[in-house]
Amino acid sequence: AQSVAQPEDQVNVAEGNPLTVKCTYSVSGNPYLFWYVQYPNRGLQFLLKYITGDNLVKGSYGFEAEFNKSQTSFHLKKPSALVSDSALYFCAVREGNTGKLIFGQGTTLQVKP
Amino acid sequence: SAVISQKPSRDICQRGTSLTIQCQVDSQVTMMFWYRQQPGQSLTLIATANQGSEATYESGFVIDKFPISRPNLTFSTLTVSNMSPEDSSIYLCSVVGRTEAFFGQGTRLTVV
Repeated sequence: AQSVAQPEDQVNVAEGNPLTVKCTYSVSGNPYLFWYVQYPNRGLQFLLKYITGDNLVKGSYGFEAEFNKSQTSFHLKKPSALVSDSALYFCAVREGNTGKLIFGQGTTLQVKP
Repeated sequence: SAVISQKPSRDICQRGTSLTIQCQVDSQVTMMFWYRQQPGQSLTLIATANQGSEATYESGFVIDKFPISRPNLTFSTLTVSNMSPEDSSIYLCSVVGRTEAFFGQGTRLTVV
């Protein structure tokens, strides 16, 4: 069965510092991986995806993620955090061709001024 | 991308009653998905709604509790029936584009 794990419930970082939100996955076959962000009282917003190609994927709002097949990881990164980046972040894997998403448990990112 | 309108955005309901959540998409899609996000939890898929056929439910979810309608390719409803406080959650509908999924803004349900 496919699964996604986000080992940190919360990540705290100072504004201007780089941030990393971790994600590891377990899939059979080639993974379709995604990052979503959820702001309070809002739905999920798509940030970026890895389907194939370059291991470094660039997405919205200056975020990027690095796909590492040997470590089965897909960590979300940003070189310089903003207070407005504070939100709940979800890593997800798509289940085959079904369109279903399996989500990690979520990581709350807190960026302090 | 797809624009998804979901309503109501929030509601407070009495236990034992039912609430129907509507999801409207700005383009025709084959499959629509309904997820539940319990307080402090991740998202869990409830069911997949295909137009013209019965919804397919995930393990732990049943049609009697969460009946779904899919009358056309742009619209779906999810009903939460005979509600209890344990049903207090955010319910989100979703559609899939070429690769990524798009979500409505969610319905925050509180059962008292």
